[in-house]
Amino acid sequence: NAGVTQTPKFRILKIGQSMTLQCAQDMNHNYMYWYRQDPGMGLKLIYYSVGAGITDKGEVPNGYNVSRSTTEDFPLRLELAAPSQTSVYFCASSYREGGYEQFFGPGTRLTVL
Amino acid sequence: DAKTTQPTSMDCAEGRAANLPCNHSTISGNEYVYWYRQIHSQGPQYIIHGLKNNETNEMASLIITEDRKSSTLILPHATLRDTAVYYCIVRVDGGTSYGKLTFGQGTILTVHP
Repeated sequence: NAGVTQTPKFRILKIGQSMTLQCAQDMNHNYMYWYRQDPGMGLKLIYYSVGAGITDKGEVPNGYNVSRSTTEDFPLRLELAAPSQTSVYFCASSYREGGYEQFFGPGTRLTVL
Repeated sequence: DAKTTQPTSMDCAEGRAANLPCNHSTISGNEYVYWYRQIHSQGPQYIIHGLKNNETNEMASLIITEDRKSSTLILPHATLRDTAVYYCIVRVDGGTSYGKLTFGQGTILTVHP
């Protein structure tokens, strides 16, 4: 199993550009999450999904959108990138509701200039 | 969620046991203790969790005091690759929670040769 994979690993965007961060898992997990982590800080939940076709907002959803058309994939879309979105983005998945054994991807380091 | 208190940093010699404490004096009866770690520039990694009994897996052991107000994560034979920030998290497991992880400051464990 590859676990949770994320692409790209690094990206530099100009203000106002858009991009999609890709996340995929091959563990057949229903629950998937997007977090951001600013330097020296903890994780903040952006969006989560409890299964294909179902997504919901976390604590910092503004400026982002997600979709979940399959169990495996959970892309995160940034529209009109802003410097405040400079961060490291982690995707995670888990196999049961409310379970905290989450499996994380390696992260995408995004810089918006 | 119960608040946790961890030392800011700890050192350990390679090959020795690393014992990382966590205080959670306000823990409720249905709250689990989870441990994660984050190696520099990588995604968080689940280590272990428990409710009241001691737990052991291939990575570590978790010792929870009888009153459940504190716990200790034990890495039996620390290696240089165990150098990371270790997070103790206390949360209700299962139910309607969507599994959002909230990390505190954690303990920076440095393993020396």
